[in-house]
Amino acid sequence: AQSVTQLDSQVPVFEEAPVELRCNYSSSVSVYLFWYVQYPNQGLQLLLKYLSGSTLVESINGFEAEFNKSQTSFHLRKPSVHISDTAEYFCAVSVPGGFKTIFGAGTRLFVKA
Amino acid sequence: GAGVSQSPSNKVTEKGKDVELRCDPISGHTALYWYRQRLGQGLEFLIYFQGNSAPDKSGLPSDRFSAERTGESVSTLTIQRTQQEDSAVYLCASSHGTSGAPSYNEQFFGPGTRLTVL
Repeated sequence: AQSVTQLDSQVPVFEEAPVELRCNYSSSVSVYLFWYVQYPNQGLQLLLKYLSGSTLVESINGFEAEFNKSQTSFHLRKPSVHISDTAEYFCAVSVPGGFKTIFGAGTRLFVKA
Repeated sequence: GAGVSQSPSNKVTEKGKDVELRCDPISGHTALYWYRQRLGQGLEFLIYFQGNSAPDKSGLPSDRFSAERTGESVSTLTIQRTQQEDSAVYLCASSHGTSGAPSYNEQFFGPGTRLTVL
């Protein structure tokens, strides 16, 4: 079985500061990894994903995440955050060939002016 | 095409009543999921459907919860004899669900139904 741990429930940060949202997973088989974002009063949407190939994946709005197999991590980073990045971020894992996705508990990013 | 839609967007009901929540997946998506998100908490898997296979009901919290899906179309989640602890946002998602498509595990979410049980 797979599991996902998001180590921080809330991350407050000032605008233009860097941020890292941590995600660790557990699995005995290879996995697909995802970050989803939920803006206030909106549904979840996919931010970025790792399926195979390059371990560094990027989103269109400046976020990136690196798959680290040895540390079983998929941390999300952004070098300079904006007020508009305030949202809840969910890390998720699924198994190739399977359809069940396990979500972490979420990290609430709060960007302050 | 259109995204995943859910109805109603909000539902207020009295304790003990039955409620039915509806999800329209993206056309062509064979996999459909239901999740529950309680206030301030993460997503709790409830059930998923994949084509004509038997659904995975392992996340349903009690026998008051049930879900149906006709073929690869609309799904309904029914909660009988609602309790206050059922108050949450119920999210539906769909995905391609066919092997070979590189992103077949990517899920597309609807806006959710906010259920309030008084």
